[in-house]
Amino acid sequence: GAGVSQSPSNKVTEKGKDVELRCDPISGHTALYWYRQSLGQGLEFLIYFQGNSAPDKSGLPSDRFSAERTGGSVSTLTIQRTQQEDSAVYLCASRPPTGGGNTIYFGEGSWLTVV
Amino acid sequence: SQQGEEDPQALSIQEGENATMNCSYKTSINNLQWYRQNSGRGLVHLILIRSNEREKHSGRLRVTLDTSKKSSSLLITASRAADTASYFCATDEGGGFKTIFGAGTRLFVKA
Repeated sequence: GAGVSQSPSNKVTEKGKDVELRCDPISGHTALYWYRQSLGQGLEFLIYFQGNSAPDKSGLPSDRFSAERTGGSVSTLTIQRTQQEDSAVYLCASRPPTGGGNTIYFGEGSWLTVV
Repeated sequence: SQQGEEDPQALSIQEGENATMNCSYKTSINNLQWYRQNSGRGLVHLILIRSNEREKHSGRLRVTLDTSKKSSSLLITASRAADTASYFCATDEGGGFKTIFGAGTRLFVKA
């Protein structure tokens, strides 16, 4: 597709279950980001991938959160043993390679509700 | 971590008035960007200003940058009800690729 695609759009899960959120970045974009946004709040940086470099995981809030990016394209954010405080919108974004511009392109987000 | 801090947190104005939002950041930057978000979904890029620029215009948007104060402002002139949204500044921490967003300003434009 032309834009960043995220799935699912909405997910309701029970406390303690694991969830996987998927992101398809724009083709050719080398950088991929995950952010978390609680209701009415700003964007909290979680993790970013840049080409073949080791990801910057400095924003992951706990070891229940992990992310991978396969083949330099699709990324999956996994939250294990979900807690109610994990409820938020999870936004994925991608960015062109160096020299291709600095604009970050966002998906529409995955709204996670933990009950 | 939060790189930028915006103020005000919320702003309510009448249609036709100007809206000014401010952003402060902490580390050195190569550029600063402003984004808009409707209804808590994906953000859309508005404008980028480079560290060697002091002011930039795009339509009804005017952005200023003061690197000595590590601050930027976004001015929306002649606001419209359709400008109602949240506005965020973003910088690449330390001039790298780790892009950090501020807390945002929620703008309400009353018709």
